[in-house]
Parts: sequence; C-alpha cells; structure tokens
Amino acid sequence: DGGITQSPKYLFRKEGQNVTLSCEQNLNHDAMYWYRQDPGQGLRLIYYSQIVNDFQKGDIAEGYSVSREKKESFPLTVTSAQKNPTAFYLCASSTSWQGTGELFFGEGSRLTVL
Amino acid sequence: AQKITQTQPGMFVQEKEAVTLDCTYDTSDQSYGLFWYKQPSSGEMIFLIYQGSYDEQNATEGRYSLNFQKARKSANLVISASQLGDSAMYFCASYTGGFKTIFGAGTRLFVKA
Repeated sequence: DGGITQSPKYLFRKEGQNVTLSCEQNLNHDAMYWYRQDPGQGLRLIYYSQIVNDFQKGDIAEGYSVSREKKESFPLTVTSAQKNPTAFYLCASSTSWQGTGELFFGEGSRLTVL
Repeated sequence: AQKITQTQPGMFVQEKEAVTLDCTYDTSDQSYGLFWYKQPSSGEMIFLIYQGSYDEQNATEGRYSLNFQKARKSANLVISASQLGDSAMYFCASYTGGFKTIFGAGTRLFVKA
C-alpha cells in the first residue's frame, strides 16, 4: 500500500542534542512537508520541498534543517538551536501544484526533550 | 494573509445524531480549496472532504458534508449519524496554491453513547 512512513514514533532527547526524524513516501508525490503540532493547536509549517534538491522555509523554520536528496525522502533535523522542541511532528506529501492541495500524512513522531 | 477560525474548542454530540463543526476562513484569493481533516488520538491526520471555491454544489463524502457559504466565508463540516469512532480532533484548512496550507486550531468532538 502507498503511504508515508515516519520514524521513530517516539523519541526522547537530552538538551543540546540534535535529532533527525525520518519521513519516507512511496506515493510518487513531488511535494513534501514538515509540520509541528503543539497541544491544543493546529499545525504550523516548518519546511516544505517542491522538488528534489530544493526546499523552502515555512513559518517556523528556526532551529530546524531538512534535506531532499531523493524524491521519496525528506528527513527533518531538530537542532540544539530549537529552543522548545518538545512537540508532535507530522510529515506530509502532496501532488504537484496542479492538484487540489490535499495532504497525505504520516503517523507522526512525538519528540520529548528531557 | 490567510486565516482559519474554528470557534468551538470542544463539542459533544449524542451517538446517531448530527453535528456541525464551524469554520470561517479569511482569504483575498479568488481560487482556493477548503479541507477538513480528522485526527484520532493516535495522531495521524485523515483527509475527510474537499471543497473548491468554484464548486457550486456542497461537497459530500458519505456521512460528511461541507456546508459552503462563500459570501459568509464559511465552510462548516456536518457529520450525520455520529458514531463513537467519530470522537477525534477535527481541523479545517485552506489552500490557495504555493504549497502552503493553513490550519485552524481544531475542534475536539466527543460522541456520547
């Protein structure tokens, strides 16, 4: 079945450590996204990528980095510069700009900083 | 700038009854799409329904319908015959191109047996 796979599902990190969240899709979608969700809030866009080797900052990119070396993969690194990284992270994908904009989501990764 | 407003932080509904979740949007674009997503306690976001700004008919998908009132910039979700499995967070979202989707803060729906 086609879909988006995020790993790990739960991650604990000590302050000052970088962590990388994995996101893989087999939907052959061009665009991929990372969203952050805090309790009781909607989703906020961190980064997105329209095509391989290209990505754009979203609304809350500070303290995060991404890469897009393959169409299928869009990993997110939460760096030590992110002041409040504890959150639920969702990866998504969509077809090209000619689509409706429907997003297909992974199951999420919950990051807790100890 | 785009904005989505969901004014109901929480809603209760009796099983088998209908419920309406409110959503208003603010955009100056003529072409846009409106979405509703469901987020169960497990965390994944599930697409429910889509309405294009030029669609004249209200969108329907099974027990879900979108009450689209363009002049009022309203896109309410109606769930008919509520089921216990409908208990979840529901997010309204808008898309005007440019790979940016804006989400509302969500409404938590509780279905009572």
